[in-house]
Amino acid sequence: AQSVSQHNHHVILSEAASLELGCNYSYGGTVNLFWYVQYPGQHLQLLLKYFSGDPLVKGIKGFEAEFIKSKFSFNLRKPSVQWSDTAEYFCAVNALRSGNTGKLIFGQGTTLQVKP
Amino acid sequence: DAGVTQSPTHLIKTRGQQVTLRCSPKSGHDTVSWYQQALGQGPQFIFQYYEEEERQRGNFPDRFSGHQFPNYSSELNVNALLLGDSALYLCASSLGPGAGNTIYFGEGSWLTVV
Repeated sequence: AQSVSQHNHHVILSEAASLELGCNYSYGGTVNLFWYVQYPGQHLQLLLKYFSGDPLVKGIKGFEAEFIKSKFSFNLRKPSVQWSDTAEYFCAVNALRSGNTGKLIFGQGTTLQVKP
Repeated sequence: DAGVTQSPTHLIKTRGQQVTLRCSPKSGHDTVSWYQQALGQGPQFIFQYYEEEERQRGNFPDRFSGHQFPNYSSELNVNALLLGDSALYLCASSLGPGAGNTIYFGEGSWLTVV
């Protein structure tokens, strides 16, 4: 069965620090990859997505992620975090195989706390 | 504004009761999926509806059922509620059921079973 693993459950950073959140998935075929963010009291919002092409994708609010197929990874990065980035971050995978629709498999999330 | 609207936002039910949650997809979207997010966990896929039919189902018992209406809105029904059904229930919509579509989420319905 497909699964998504997020290595860091809780990350605490100071403002201006660099961020990297790990995400690995288990599926040998073609995948679509997503990072969603959930700010306190708000809905899940799409940060960025990878479908095909350039493995380095840029999203909103200065976030980017790199798809490394050989490592089954899709790590999220930001060069300099802000207090407003405090939120829960979810990596999600959609395995492209026959009969599969838009079913997303989520990791368990990483809570990011940015200290002002 | 998420575009996907859900109701109610919060509700409390007693073990053994039944609950119905409602969802209106983002304007122009015709596909609705439901997810369960337990506290401290990522969302888990329950099922997806397209053209008023259940297209794909996750690993949830038959107590979980759904419906999609001609206007693309959807309901999630859970029968014989258990304490473990307490969670945030998320509705998501997309244009088409295919895997290549971006999925948008609503704010969710918080269900507490006591």
